[in-house]
Amino acid sequence: AQSVTQLGSHVSVSEGALVLLRCNYSSSVPPYLFWYVQYPNQGLQLLLKYTTGATLVKGINGFEAEFKKSETSFHLTKPSAHMSDAAEYFCAVTRGGSARQLTFGSGTQLTVLP
Amino acid sequence: KAGVTQTPRYLIKTRGQQVTLSCSPISGHRSVSWYQQTPGQGLQFLFEYFSETQRNKGNFPGRFSGRQFSNSRSEMNVSTLELGDSALYLCASSPSYGTGGGETQYFGPGTRLLVL
Repeated sequence: AQSVTQLGSHVSVSEGALVLLRCNYSSSVPPYLFWYVQYPNQGLQLLLKYTTGATLVKGINGFEAEFKKSETSFHLTKPSAHMSDAAEYFCAVTRGGSARQLTFGSGTQLTVLP
Repeated sequence: KAGVTQTPRYLIKTRGQQVTLSCSPISGHRSVSWYQQTPGQGLQFLFEYFSETQRNKGNFPGRFSGRQFSNSRSEMNVSTLELGDSALYLCASSPSYGTGGGETQYFGPGTRLLVL
């Protein structure tokens, strides 16, 4: 069975600073990996995903993530935080193949300080 | 294209009642999945429907059920509501072409259910 661990339930950064949100996965088969963002009182919006191919994935709003199989990690980064990035971020995995069931991490609340 | 829509957005029920939530997927999407989000348990998969058939089910009691119609719209039903069923219920749709688990799932805004 696959699982996802997000280190740090709360992360605070200053505006303009690097954002790093950590995600480690466990999967017995090559996984598909996703990062979603959730703003208050809204659903989830896809930031980026890794399926196959290039391990450095670029997403929306300047975010990117690198799939590192040897470290079983898929950390999310953004070079310069903006106030509008304040939200909750979820890492998720599907087990590959045709199964669409997403297994989510517990989420990381990002606060951006002025 | 219009996004995933869910109705109602907010709902208050009392213990023992039942509730039906509705989800309209993005036009042309054939797969619909449901998730429950609570502060304690986080985001948990309920079930997935494709071509009016339940393809996958999460670890929830039989009080939770769903269905999908021929136009891909989906409903989920919770019977004999318990206080612990208070949650945000999210619906997600995907096109269902190709890579299956690698497909992007597009989420609706959710239905917030409060059970008193």
